[in-house]
Amino acid sequence: DAGVTQSPTHLIKTRGQHVTLRCSPISGHKSVSWYQQVLGQGPQFIFQYYEKEERGRGNFPDRFSARQFPNYSSELNVNALLLGDSALYLCASSLVVVPETQYFGPGTRLLVL
Amino acid sequence: QKEVEQNSGPLSVPEGAIASLNCTYSDRGSQSFFWYRQYSGKSPELIMFIYSNGDKEDGRFTAQLNKASQYVSLLIRDSQPSDSATYLCAVNTLNNAGNMLTFGGGTRLMVKP
Repeated sequence: DAGVTQSPTHLIKTRGQHVTLRCSPISGHKSVSWYQQVLGQGPQFIFQYYEKEERGRGNFPDRFSARQFPNYSSELNVNALLLGDSALYLCASSLVVVPETQYFGPGTRLLVL
Repeated sequence: QKEVEQNSGPLSVPEGAIASLNCTYSDRGSQSFFWYRQYSGKSPELIMFIYSNGDKEDGRFTAQLNKASQYVSLLIRDSQPSDSATYLCAVNTLNNAGNMLTFGGGTRLMVKP
């Protein structure tokens, strides 16, 4: 079975732009979570979606938004990019909302110039 | 602010030795505890999780949990150079933000041949 896939793998944007990151969960998984990992730090929780509904939100500004589609894939959108948004964005899928069945995708590395 | 603290390292051990990685957490409401391994440039991989006080063993890995002291540890027996990576401790707390994982900053482990 294919694992969690994310696209694109790398992305370069300039300040003020908008970005959309995509995630396809493992087949059968209904929950998707997004994390931001700044270089040298641990991942920080952004959002969790389950059955197309937001089930959790971390301490991120409203510039960050996400949604989950009927096929359980997900998008993370970031508006008005700042230099500090440069990070590895990780998507994790799980069967249900609990993290014991959670698997991470390879991530999207975003650089904001 | 709910926090998970780890010594950033690097922790250097010789091949064949026991590596001991430690983590403390601040939220007494935390319910489950996770250890992830992250190789440089890759996404985190789940090693194991633990719910109850005491030890849990899986192959060369042993997780230890002491809720009274708010302390989690990971022991790696017979350390191999391939174990060289950053080890992330994560804590699951169900709160207003949802069912989220809070990660520590990670400990970098170096196993020298």
